[in-house]
Amino acid sequence: EPEVTQTPSHQVTQMGQEVILRCVPISNHLYFYWYRQILGQKVEFLVSFYNNEISEKSEIFDDQFSVERPDGSNFTLKIRSTKLEDSAMYFCASREEFRGPYNEQFFGPGTRLTVL
Amino acid sequence: TQLLEQSPQFLSIQEGENLTVYCNSSSVFSSLQWYRQEPGEGPVLLVTVVTGGEVKKLKRLTFQFGDARKDSSLHITAAQPGDTGLYLCAGAKWGNTDKLIFGTGTRLQVFP
Repeated sequence: EPEVTQTPSHQVTQMGQEVILRCVPISNHLYFYWYRQILGQKVEFLVSFYNNEISEKSEIFDDQFSVERPDGSNFTLKIRSTKLEDSAMYFCASREEFRGPYNEQFFGPGTRLTVL
Repeated sequence: TQLLEQSPQFLSIQEGENLTVYCNSSSVFSSLQWYRQEPGEGPVLLVTVVTGGEVKKLKRLTFQFGDARKDSSLHITAAQPGDTGLYLCAGAKWGNTDKLIFGTGTRLQVFP
């Protein structure tokens, strides 16, 4: 069964360093998302991406964050200068073509980012 | 601010018992998803409901969307240890946004 994959599974970095989290969405999906989950808290929306551009972003997604689909398969989240509060699980999700109210997003296993 | 509140927050039961988890909001959603999440893993989609009053069954799990599309419930019949996990509801409004708004989660522990 097709699934969303993410690498690395765990990333440890020093505060101020740049990190790139990678995702391979399900192959025929057209909508891509990043969410994050700080330990013990809710899953929070970061950004949605469609047709090679950002369609929506949350207040969390400031100038330090960027997303890219560099080729036909990868979808990346870059954090330019990491802060301690960026430590969280980051989930990539994807969805197939627009089907009205059906908004079935499929999630990857996540990348645990630890900023020291 | 759109919020989805789940109750109870924690639930510990014996194998064979029935349980219901609630997901409530003051906002109307066009769809509501239920996910299950294991520790250190991503949410796994269980079901999507889109019509007010809709009921969907997945083996021993029964999902219902409220008539006004502001709330939902998950009922598990004869719970088993394999049902243990974090259950999340997530609402969406299609149109100008398709982000998922996640609930606060219900952590279920089923003891043999």
